[in-house]
Amino acid sequence: NAGVTQTPKFRVLKTGQSMTLLCAQDMNHEYMYWYRQDPGMGLRLIHYSVGEGTTAKGEVPDGYNVSRLKKQNFLLGLESAAPSQTSVYFCASSYRADNQPQHFGDGTRLSIL
Amino acid sequence: GESVGLHLPTLSVQEGDNSIINCAYSNSASDYFIWYKQESGKGPQFIIDIRSNMDKRQGQRVTVLLNKTVKHLSLQIAATQPGDSAVYFCAEKGAGGTSYGKLTFGQGTILTVHP
Repeated sequence: NAGVTQTPKFRVLKTGQSMTLLCAQDMNHEYMYWYRQDPGMGLRLIHYSVGEGTTAKGEVPDGYNVSRLKKQNFLLGLESAAPSQTSVYFCASSYRADNQPQHFGDGTRLSIL
Repeated sequence: GESVGLHLPTLSVQEGDNSIINCAYSNSASDYFIWYKQESGKGPQFIIDIRSNMDKRQGQRVTVLLNKTVKHLSLQIAATQPGDSAVYFCAEKGAGGTSYGKLTFGQGTILTVHP
């Protein structure tokens, strides 16, 4: 009954460091998404994937890379972290069929000093 | 000075009252709408959805109303409970085969329920 699991839950980085956020879903969903959420703002789409081996840019992709080597996993990478990337990151997944809700993980809280 | 988007709309109600949360959406071609609830420290949780060929849908204690003429969506919560206190987001999905389920989210409304 796990749904969407994100690791780590919290992380503090120094400017210029790199890291990878992991998202895993056990619902056999085809679509997966990475969002960032900043105070007082709605969720903004960073990158998404419509299937294993595919990725595409969302609304705010700069400074991030993603990979989907396995259907159940979607990785978000920061190659050189910047303070502007301090945010809460959410992963979501959904079925490929039309008009299906996205299901979210509980987020990764990332601070860049 | 203050920046747009830092202050979310708020709604305060007494326990047992009905709550109505409103959302104006932007794309007249959107064909699918969702309401999410987000509690502190958690991810958004699906509440209810509605397709554009409907104007009302009911769930357990919740009702979503869609008015496509004025591009307005509302969430009604009956007999509001303290556990309903959270931020509520509406989301819309554009029509078309290349949307890939992508959603556009509103800023959210903070609902506070007083015992």
